[in-house]
Amino acid sequence: DAKTTQPPSMDCAEGRAANLPCNHSTISGNEYVYWYRQIHSQGPQYIIHGLKNNETNEMASLIITEDRKSSTLILPHATLRDTAVYYCIVIGWRDDKIIFGKGTRLHILP
Amino acid sequence: DGGITQSPKYLFRKEGQNVTLSCEQNLNHDAMYWYRQDPGQGLRLIYYSQIVNDFQKGDIAEGYSVSREKKESFPLTVTSAQKNPTAFYLCASSFGRNQETQYFGPGTRLLVL
Repeated sequence: DAKTTQPPSMDCAEGRAANLPCNHSTISGNEYVYWYRQIHSQGPQYIIHGLKNNETNEMASLIITEDRKSSTLILPHATLRDTAVYYCIVIGWRDDKIIFGKGTRLHILP
Repeated sequence: DGGITQSPKYLFRKEGQNVTLSCEQNLNHDAMYWYRQDPGQGLRLIYYSQIVNDFQKGDIAEGYSVSREKKESFPLTVTSAQKNPTAFYLCASSFGRNQETQYFGPGTRLLVL
């Protein structure tokens, strides 16, 4: 079973920031939070990952709460091309496989 | 260009037929993975391989087989024992286990005639 809980779908207006939440209340100290996204009929694409500090790259920002039980992926200026299913995944250093849940289907509204 | 490729993009299978899906990577990755995705669902792990000549079953291995004779290649065979093979199949690779980013191929859509 996936170790994360995400809302099944979200809407966001084009040009606004999209904030995608993820709950991982059972996360342990050596587990990272990863985000992938899957545009329709394509393979998933890595976005960002973090352990406990907030992270930012050219695609997105990842905000992890101090207790690490939840996180938020932020797409700062959403475009129509960001329409996709976003997967939040928790991975431990002992894990040799990752488990994808159902993710959040993000709709960007023009 | 480095990357991971899957072929064919679409594959049709007749009842009782085995079919093989190709997955090749030139990223020098040790680990490779096969996932199945059904409409509206997340990805489910079929098989994975962390090194040449070694592979492990994932969550839904029944009706599938794999081989890993070369580092670059991880073909998946959908056997006649897989009663519901219609799905989108995704191959991925990573430098190794343990929190390494996985890179995905474009996928193969398998349809049953």
